Amino acid sequence: NAGVMQNPRHLVRRRGQEARLRCSPMKGHSHVYWYRQLPEEGLKFMVYLQKENIIDESGMPKERFSAEFPKEGPSILRIQQVVRGDSAAYFCASSPGQDVHGYTFGSGTRLTVV
Amino acid sequence: QQPVQSPQAVILREGEDAVINCSSSKALYSVHWYRQKHGEAPVFLMILLKGGEQKGHEKISASFNEKKQQSSLYLTASQLSYSGTYFCGTVAYSGAGSYQLTFGKGTKLSVIP
Repeated sequence: NAGVMQNPRHLVRRRGQEARLRCSPMKGHSHVYWYRQLPEEGLKFMVYLQKENIIDESGMPKERFSAEFPKEGPSILRIQQVVRGDSAAYFCASSPGQDVHGYTFGSGTRLTVV
Repeated sequence: QQPVQSPQAVILREGEDAVINCSSSKALYSVHWYRQKHGEAPVFLMILLKGGEQKGHEKISASFNEKKQQSSLYLTASQLSYSGTYFCGTVAYSGAGSYQLTFGKGTKLSVIP
């Protein structure tokens, strides 16, 4: 049973380019979460999605960032016109429900903006 | 609001015990604990629901006082493999129609021989 799969593991983008981060949740998990982590800091909530629905995007910057979880395929976190401050590790997690379950995290995508 | 963890860092010798505390100013639905090793994904340890329960996971256990909105993680007879950063995550109603898991800044635990 594969865990949460994220790709790519490392992504380098020049300022102004677009970054697309992918996440396939664990089999049987319909709840997907994206978190951002800066070095030596905790994980900051960005967005919570279920299939075809954004449930809570209160942690997502209003501009340049978007997320989706289509009926078919992985969840995508998209960052347009990246800036140096977007450099961070982006972790995706999934769970079978929101109430009594822990989250399973993927290995993350390390985004570097040059 | 982000939960507050203490201490920020602790160094233990193998076999020693440690306690990591987590407190929140919000009414909590549950508390999660995770461990993250450098360069790796956070790994789920346990979840504590409202009810003041205490749970155990090998030699690692935790308690949750919902009245005080506090949780503590207890590590006994520490092993080298316990090294890493421990995060508490507090679950509260987000106001956006769902619950949100918010992490503390973490406690860096180093176990030395």
